[in-house]
Amino acid sequence: AQTVTQSQPEMSVQEAETVTLSCTYDTSESDYYLFWYKQPPSRQMILVIRQEAYKQQNATENRFSVNFQKAAKSFSLKISDSQLGDAAMYFCAYRSALINNDMRFGAGTRLTVKP
Amino acid sequence: GAVVSQHPSWVICKSGTSVKIECRSLDFQATTMFWYRQFPKQSLMLMATSNEGSKATYEQGVEKDKFLINHASLTLSTLTVTSAHPEDSSFYICSAMEELAKNIQYFGAGTRLSVL
Repeated sequence: AQTVTQSQPEMSVQEAETVTLSCTYDTSESDYYLFWYKQPPSRQMILVIRQEAYKQQNATENRFSVNFQKAAKSFSLKISDSQLGDAAMYFCAYRSALINNDMRFGAGTRLTVKP
Repeated sequence: GAVVSQHPSWVICKSGTSVKIECRSLDFQATTMFWYRQFPKQSLMLMATSNEGSKATYEQGVEKDKFLINHASLTLSTLTVTSAHPEDSSFYICSAMEELAKNIQYFGAGTRLSVL
């Protein structure tokens, strides 16, 4: 079974600086999708960024970018120019391209942004 | 992005009663909907997956008679917690996926259930 590991329970960053959140996963599949979701105090899950495994190019969404290392099964999230509104729980998630219901979440990383 | 509406956002009920939570996809047809449970400071745990018009597929350890899921249309799925007990108190989140949206799941805002 696929597993997603986020080794950083908590992270802190100064406003306007850059922070990287780590995520590794374990799978025997070659075709899959990876996601980063943000869950602010409102608890609404918000999609931050998405990566398709067959694409070598790292996904980017404004201040958010990923470092996708398929061979290493690593999928880190970089947040540049951190803002106070970035403070939230961040979940890394894996979805198989083969099975619709096979989406796995990591344990989450709580990000604090210091003014 | 697509919008998923979940109602109610918070419900308090007495032990032994049943509670229904609704999940609606507002601007797309959701071929698949998911129900998650989230304990405080923990990750999301998948409870079941439902496809429109068919029976839900429950994850191991989730009681199907306790958590009734109905996906009667392409825009509505419901989760009914039957004979609720205090240990069922939790945060429940629904999610919907559009077939053509490249496997992106959109989430509802969640329902906080408190069973007294």
